[in-house]
Amino acid sequence: EVQLLESGGGLVQPGGSLRLSCAASGFTFTNYAMSWVRQAPGKGLEWVSGISGSDGTTYYADSVKGRFTISRDNSNNTLYLQVDSLRAEDTAIYYCAKERSTGIAAAINYWGQGTLVTVSS
Amino acid sequence: DIQMTQSPSSLSASVGDRVIITCRASQGISKYLAWYQQRPGKVPKLLIYAASTLQSGVPSRFSGSGSGTDFTLTISSLQPEDVATYYCQKYNSAPITFGQGTRLEIK
Repeated sequence: EVQLLESGGGLVQPGGSLRLSCAASGFTFTNYAMSWVRQAPGKGLEWVSGISGSDGTTYYADSVKGRFTISRDNSNNTLYLQVDSLRAEDTAIYYCAKERSTGIAAAINYWGQGTLVTVSS
Repeated sequence: DIQMTQSPSSLSASVGDRVIITCRASQGISKYLAWYQQRPGKVPKLLIYAASTLQSGVPSRFSGSGSGTDFTLTISSLQPEDVATYYCQKYNSAPITFGQGTRLEIK
């Protein structure tokens, strides 16, 4: 059974940083691209960043480019998102997501339960 | 970047009705289109990928069609458990983009 367990969210002041983690199990982690998708309170889904399973190529939404960094540890089946220079508009539930293929940009067939990031002073 | 526009933004239908939600891409995306269902308070769930392929375990009353720029999600006979927000997503290339969502309610 595929499981994605996020952690690392919390309350942070504007300009602050957090490191989100996603522990994956139930599938061969290195074989699949992974993404982070966020959802602001009462709003729709926004793709944030993705990383390929094969060569670790990374991609970012324009809204977070230069502030967020995605990475993966294939030896520990863990996905990360380092979020820096946080703004109020980054407040959202951050979902870890498994894509259907190795290469980046694919449909997402599994989602974690999400971790809430709140940016407020 | 390619923009995805869904219509309508919300709709109300009766149990047993046929429901159609449309999604339009600002540029052609071939069949790199997925549909998701997000029930209130729940995590999104993949319904359809490659525009028309039903994800395993999804009821057959859901179907998808289209290619290029115009796509549809059809629920052939609306059930109470289908109350949710539905999102389309394009994935031909990064950045992945979601539509703004269609909120479906029961009359």
